[in-house]
Amino acid sequence: SQQGEEDPQALSIQEGENATMNCSYKTSINNLQWYRQNSGRGLVHLILIRSNEREKHSGRLRVTLDTSKKSSSLLITASRAADTASYFCATVRMDSSYKLIFGSGTRLLVRP
Amino acid sequence: DAGVIQSPRHEVTEMGQEVTLRCKPISGHNSLFWYRQTMMRGLELLIYFNNNVPIDDSGMPEDRFSAKMPNASFSTLKIQPSEPRDSAVYFCASIPTGQRNTEAFFGQGTRLTVV
Repeated sequence: SQQGEEDPQALSIQEGENATMNCSYKTSINNLQWYRQNSGRGLVHLILIRSNEREKHSGRLRVTLDTSKKSSSLLITASRAADTASYFCATVRMDSSYKLIFGSGTRLLVRP
Repeated sequence: DAGVIQSPRHEVTEMGQEVTLRCKPISGHNSLFWYRQTMMRGLELLIYFNNNVPIDDSGMPEDRFSAKMPNASFSTLKIQPSEPRDSAVYFCASIPTGQRNTEAFFGQGTRLTVV
């Protein structure tokens, strides 16, 4: 990818379990965002965390950011079959007006 | 607002033909982005515009690719001549003017197949 890597590349869990996805990036950032993509569809924004924030919550989503390690994680609690999708992190770098660069993504399968 | 609108949704063309993809950003959004998504390379930023001006086209793969934004409500991405390796899903996205801590709004994409 143009920015960094996500792991795992694929994750399969049972409905009700928690799903954790990790993202690493390479440059100093202004903010980091997570997006979801259902198969064959466009990307939908989930959550944005600024570089001076360490944790953010939105419903069943929890995002952490560690700028010293250049990494972020996305936790989906109490997963549902409808959460099955690909999840991407994306960063806006500090040195540009707005250049949103995506990671390689994690394919999540939630088994009913 | 109908969101970011891309057309066509699907395009199948023969190698060597010219292909034009179209995008209408959300009204009031003056920054527009073109991405390409493939299994091998993931989501690549090709080019982005601010106030109709191309700011960074370093992701455009080669001279066969060109993009224009003649006004705030319309952009095109053209491939001439097209090649099979250009087969991908092309996404357009827009953001509100002058904001960095904001989400990008994506269109549904154009699936291009070059045979």
